[in-house]
Amino acid sequence: DGGITQSPKYLFRKEGQNVTLSCEQNLNHDAMYWYRQDPGQGLRLIYYSQIVNDFQKGDIAEGYSVSREKKESFPLTVTSAQKNPTAFYLCASSSGHPTKRVYGYTFGSGTRLTVV
Amino acid sequence: GENVEQHPSTLSVQEGDSAVIKCTYSDSASNYFPWYKQELGKRPQLIIDIRSNVGEKKDQRIAVTLNKTAKHFSLHITETQPEDSAVYFCAASPNAGGTSYGKLTFGQGTILTVHP
Repeated sequence: DGGITQSPKYLFRKEGQNVTLSCEQNLNHDAMYWYRQDPGQGLRLIYYSQIVNDFQKGDIAEGYSVSREKKESFPLTVTSAQKNPTAFYLCASSSGHPTKRVYGYTFGSGTRLTVV
Repeated sequence: GENVEQHPSTLSVQEGDSAVIKCTYSDSASNYFPWYKQELGKRPQLIIDIRSNVGEKKDQRIAVTLNKTAKHFSLHITETQPEDSAVYFCAASPNAGGTSYGKLTFGQGTILTVHP
């Protein structure tokens, strides 16, 4: 399904709980990204990674953490420090490389996180 | 960092009319400008993109224009159809090299409604 898989599709989090969103790609893409989508605010970048074992903060990294131990995987943890985590989370990947041309993203189907 | 502004936030047209969505960006180092279409409950899909070495690109009923001097780019949809109804996002990405490479900054989105 597009080569990039997000799970679960729906996730419910209790107050004070950490949850992890999964993102896996089989496109052999170097770069992976996490975006948060809220109504009327477009897509805002949380974290991104251009290479294994390296990642950078995006515009709204507070309360989130990531890891990139494998090229195929880029999980996102929403920690209890994130005060308003209810949103739609999109993972993306691209074949962009620092010495090559930028290409458009391939997006996953998203995870809808709700605090209960 | 880059800032992308998108207008209008909502656009309503009659079937067969044209639709135009405009974006401005702030970082003169940006040189890659993709457009994404997101249908309700689905992932964003790349529909067209343009690089800074060209001023216009067409793909059937869709075209994108770029004015690097003014730092704005636009999406044009001709002969609109009800299935064009969706949220459209513009984005911009900086030059090759450095940690910002490949990182897309998105506009806020435009909800396009095509009435039969």
